[in-house]
Amino acid sequence: DVKVTQSSRYLVKRTGEKVFLECVQDMDHENMFWYRQDPGLGLRLIYFSYDVKMKEKGDIPEGYSVSREKKERFSLILESASTNQTSMYLCASSLGGWTNSGNTIYFGEGSWLTVV
Amino acid sequence: AQSVSQHNHHVILSEAASLELGCNYSYGGTVNLFWYVQYPGQHLQLLLKYFSGDPLVKGIKGFEAEFIKSKFSFNLRKPSVQWSDTAEYFCAAKHNNAGNMLTFGGGTRLMVKP
Repeated sequence: DVKVTQSSRYLVKRTGEKVFLECVQDMDHENMFWYRQDPGLGLRLIYFSYDVKMKEKGDIPEGYSVSREKKERFSLILESASTNQTSMYLCASSLGGWTNSGNTIYFGEGSWLTVV
Repeated sequence: AQSVSQHNHHVILSEAASLELGCNYSYGGTVNLFWYVQYPGQHLQLLLKYFSGDPLVKGIKGFEAEFIKSKFSFNLRKPSVQWSDTAEYFCAAKHNNAGNMLTFGGGTRLMVKP
């Protein structure tokens, strides 16, 4: 089974703090993703990485950055946390490329971040 | 921009009732479609997916979905729901012009009354 592990399930941070959310996958997947989940808005893509050191902005990248130094690890960074970044953050991974059978995306359990 | 719409934010059903959750996506061409489920306190899990072939897709736990290309729809169905189906359901689409990025709908919270 694919395992996507997010290091922190629950965090409380103060406004202005730098926040790191870590994600590790164990299936040698090329693609990794960071989403945030908010009620009524579904999942919105923040950033996406298709290879080591490669990244693409998603729908809502403002206020976030990412780092992918190793294939299995994808970090989300909030340089200066704000209250509107209080949310559930989901990491995901999938195989790369586009195939007829498709590449299922596998999710971690999520990290609840509260910024006070 | 690509978008995925789920028609209902909240659905309340009694056990044994039939379920249909609507999902529409905004673009044509080659598209992969997914339904994910998130049970309370758990991570997102794949229910079913459509890539090609038979437009009626069977998933886990008795769920199915029908891809209707002419309507840009991928509605999720279950003939008889159970209390354990209480969860949030997300429709998602991946278009070949969008690389590997998945676009999600806003989610539908289903509550099944015992």
